[in-house]
Amino acid sequence: NAGVTQTPKFQVLKTGQSMTLQCAQDMNHNSMYWYRQDPGMGLRLIYYSASEGTTDKGEVPNGYNVSRLNKREFSLRLESAAPSQTSVYFCASLTGGWGETQYFGPGTRLLVL
Amino acid sequence: AQSVAQPEDQVNVAEGNPLTVKCTYSVSGNPYLFWYVQYPNRGLQFLLKYITGDNLVKGSYGFEAEFNKSQTSFHLKKPSALVSDSALYFCAVRDNTGGFKTIFGAGTRLFVKA
Repeated sequence: NAGVTQTPKFQVLKTGQSMTLQCAQDMNHNSMYWYRQDPGMGLRLIYYSASEGTTDKGEVPNGYNVSRLNKREFSLRLESAAPSQTSVYFCASLTGGWGETQYFGPGTRLLVL
Repeated sequence: AQSVAQPEDQVNVAEGNPLTVKCTYSVSGNPYLFWYVQYPNRGLQFLLKYITGDNLVKGSYGFEAEFNKSQTSFHLKKPSALVSDSALYFCAVRDNTGGFKTIFGAGTRLFVKA
């Protein structure tokens, strides 16, 4: 099993450009999540999908959109990138349950100039 | 609302000495608590969790954590630190508002000196 995979690993954008971050999991998990990690702020939830066909806003959703394409894939889109979106983005998944463990992807490092 | 606090930005310890990384939490209802570790340029890896039962939870790589309900704490511990334990550690709590969301602390950087 590959677990949770993310593409690309690294991306540089200019302000105003758009891009989509891809995430896929092969563990048959129901729930998927997008986080951003910034120094001194831990991980902050952007959007999540508790189950296929549903998506909900997290703590910091502004400037982002998501698509739960199917049970395996959950993409994050930046429509018009801003320097404040420079961050490391992590995708995670879990089976679905209060005590279940989240599994994380390797991350996408995004730089917006 | 659920929250997690990690009061130390960095913890320094000599190799072979015991280490503690502190975490306090605030939840309504039963707490579901987690510790994750992040090595440079990697994703987060699960270390251990408290769901119910014994207050001392054992996890990966020799780590353990002590759940203290009265002090609302869930400190991460290891009896003898290794240089390879140097990493960023996150405490987290499961959010009970739906979607099985997880709320993370700001992280504590552990530095183990040889």
